[in-house]
Amino acid sequence: EAGVTQFPSHSVIEKGQTVTLRCDPISGHDNLYWYRRVMGKEIKFLLHFVKESKQDESGMPNNRFLAERTGGTYSTLKVQPAELEDSGVYFCASSHPAGQAGTGELFFGEGSRLTVL
Amino acid sequence: AQSVTQLDSHVSVSEGTPVLLRCNYSSSYSPSLFWYVQHPNKGLQLLLKYTSAATLVKGINGFEAEFKKSETSFHLTKPSAHMSDAAEYFCVVRGFSNTGKLIFGQGTTLQVKP
Repeated sequence: EAGVTQFPSHSVIEKGQTVTLRCDPISGHDNLYWYRRVMGKEIKFLLHFVKESKQDESGMPNNRFLAERTGGTYSTLKVQPAELEDSGVYFCASSHPAGQAGTGELFFGEGSRLTVL
Repeated sequence: AQSVTQLDSHVSVSEGTPVLLRCNYSSSYSPSLFWYVQHPNKGLQLLLKYTSAATLVKGINGFEAEFKKSETSFHLTKPSAHMSDAAEYFCVVRGFSNTGKLIFGQGTTLQVKP
């Protein structure tokens, strides 16, 4: 079974540009999460999808970040325009269908490293 | 609010010696606690989890952790370190409402010397 896949693994852009990160969850996982680790800080929650609906987006830093999950399959996280402080590693995770989220293990991808110059 | 504090940012041990990675938590109710590991260029992998069953939790690769409510601790241990254990370890508490919203500690980098 394929794990959580993230693309690109590393992206280097200039301040003001746009970047789109993609996450393909494990097949059949309704829950999809985005997390972020900026340099020297802890990993922090960004948002949670259940299928195509945003269940919790309390961790999204500002309106330059837009997450989508059309069709309830893969998800994208767009940063527009990117700022220096957006640099970090963006992790995606998925877990079993709704109703099992309370005890279900989160399976993480390898992360997408974003560098904003 | 819940939080976790990993008491050491870096731990160095010799191969074959015990490993102790320390974690204290803060929670206003009975928490769900986890340890995740991240090897270089790999994703986060669940080592073990505590969800109010047995206080001594056994995980993969010989790791275990003991939930101590009186000390608000959830330290990770392994009797004998292996070179392949070198990685970054995260103590994690599940957020309120029992969702997949996880709160991570700052991480502890484990170095294993030959």
